[in-house]
Formats: sequence, C-alpha cells, structure tokens
Amino acid sequence: DAGITQSPRHKVTETGTPVTLRCHQTENHRYMYWYRQDPGHGLRLIHYSYGVKDTDKGEVSDGYSVSRSKTEDFLLTLESATSSQTSVYFCAISDSRGSNNSPLHFGNGTRLTVT
Amino acid sequence: GENVEQHPSTLSVQEGDSAVIKCTYSDSASNYFPWYKQELGKRPQLIIDIRSNVGEKKDQRIAVTLNKTAKHFSLHITETQPEDSAVYFCAASKSNNNDMRFGAGTRLTVKP
Repeated sequence: DAGITQSPRHKVTETGTPVTLRCHQTENHRYMYWYRQDPGHGLRLIHYSYGVKDTDKGEVSDGYSVSRSKTEDFLLTLESATSSQTSVYFCAISDSRGSNNSPLHFGNGTRLTVT
Repeated sequence: GENVEQHPSTLSVQEGDSAVIKCTYSDSASNYFPWYKQELGKRPQLIIDIRSNVGEKKDQRIAVTLNKTAKHFSLHITETQPEDSAVYFCAASKSNNNDMRFGAGTRLTVKP
C-alpha cells in the first residue's frame, strides 16, 4: 500500500467554521490531489499540486484552498464550511512523469460532516 | 471538458457468472483509462488500467477492452466471487492525471 495518511479520519463541524484536512505521504511522489466523493458523482477533483508551492484548481474548487509547503504534505482548507461540503474527501498521489499517466493511489479518506 | 458515463449503476450477478461494466467518454484525446474498486468504507484501489495504444488487457479474471473509435471501454470480470462485491469506478484522462474524470460508479453485488 502506498504510504498515504489522511487526518482526521472523521470530523463534524458547524457551518461557517474553518476546517483543514491534512494529507501526508512517504512516497516522495511529485503529484498530490484532493478529491471529494458524493453519491452519484463518483470522484471529483478539487485541487492538485505538481510540486512544492505549485498548485492548481480542479473541477470543483470553489470554497476550497490548498497549500503544499513540503513534498510530503498537502493541506485542504475550507475557509467557511457549508452544508454542501459534507462529503468524503480523498487524497491521492501519483508519480506521473512527462506525458505518461501513472495510477493514482488514494488515502483512506476523511468523512466530513457540516451541520 | 471530459465527460465519463458509466453503466449500469447497479449490477447483481450470481457467483460464477460474468459481470460487465461499460463506460463512454467524450474527449477523443483521452488516452489513459484506469478502473478502481472500492469496498464499503475503504479507499478506491486500482485494479487494472489500459492505454490507448492497446485494445485489450487481461489480469487473471479481470479484463478491460477499449474501442477508441466508439469512445467506450468496458470492464469484464469472469467467474465472479462474493469478494468481488464492491463499487467500481472507471476514469479517463489525457496527458496527465490533472484532467482525469471518473464515472459515477457501479455497485456490483455477487450473490453466493
């Protein structure tokens, strides 16, 4: 199994509060991703990173920000949580090089509930 | 952007039967097609992938076929077992994983 740790595993928070989810990898992979998983939508990309301090938006980035200050850590922040952000969040890593895709390896997920 | 549709959303088969899940994609430039299996409460895990330069790939009881002209690809599981029960996701991407799009998933149930 790829060395990916997500924390926390579960969180309940109130609407309007800030929330930060952490993803830590021990594989030294260049690429890191944050996805959310909702019934009927599969997995949707929120933000991704292609190196330290290099990040970009994904398909559903509104309301989220990210930071990557070290190769091994990728943080996802909800500045002001809303009920629509209740979801399961997965971090993923890959070692894509050049134009050749390589598989995504997912963490165990964080279940976030916004009340 | 890329759009991936996956059918059926649920599939129930008898142990030992075959299961087929189909996906279509919209962007003809897509060239990488992975399949992920997700057991209840667990993370998605890659089970097989195919690139656009081949039409079929097999790994024991699992095979994937790709029809680039029709822009669809399929997952075939033979001799299904109860432990194959899970949600399966297809995905498609172009030059890198940043544009990967996932299907909505198929819940496969294998009845003993």
